[in-house]
Amino acid sequence: ETGVTQSPTHLIKTRGQQVTLRCSSQSGHNTVSWYQQALGQGPQFIFQYYREEENGRGNFPPRFSGLQFPNYSSELNVNALELDDSALYLCASSPDLSGYGYTFGSGTRLTVV
Amino acid sequence: ILNVEQSPQSLHVQEGDSTNFTCSFPSSNFYALHWYRWETAKSPEALFVMTLNGDEKKKGRISATLNTKEGYSYLYIKGSQPEDSATYLCACSNTGKLIFGQGTTLQVKP
Repeated sequence: ETGVTQSPTHLIKTRGQQVTLRCSSQSGHNTVSWYQQALGQGPQFIFQYYREEENGRGNFPPRFSGLQFPNYSSELNVNALELDDSALYLCASSPDLSGYGYTFGSGTRLTVV
Repeated sequence: ILNVEQSPQSLHVQEGDSTNFTCSFPSSNFYALHWYRWETAKSPEALFVMTLNGDEKKKGRISATLNTKEGYSYLYIKGSQPEDSATYLCACSNTGKLIFGQGTTLQVKP
């Protein structure tokens, strides 16, 4: 399978709720990274998974968590949603940890009300 | 902390104009510099990856240069077309993760 697919494309949640965002990576891409893009900013690194293990985390609280599965799919979970979590969430996969060859999905737009 | 800055934040040009944007980054601990083109409602599309000081890459009307000693990269678009309208992101890769600038949004008027 080629390309990176994210679901859903749009989502509206209430403050305090929990949300799960999904990403289906390219076959053979062992690394998946998640980014948050708030309005007017560049994408900010949330965390990265390599072969189902977390391999680096940005400046995000523990209520942001992730999972990566053997079938090249992954999840971003956010607990206790806050209004400031409203953003576009991007998933990117790559074959390895070199930092080359990233393929991005088109993102999930999360709105917290 | 790696801080990547892009300028200008936005740019409006006429069809046929040539334009350029700047990406600044700390010159220490540099690994690679990436340029992405991002159209609304689509995925960011990789344009270039550059690693060596003095690198120059070209893809059609778009080219980029890299100066790792002074910590900047330029992206040039020659003869802008309306389909070039997009946000252009630069990012430094560091231990496998990408550190992005805030992007330059280009609008090309017909």
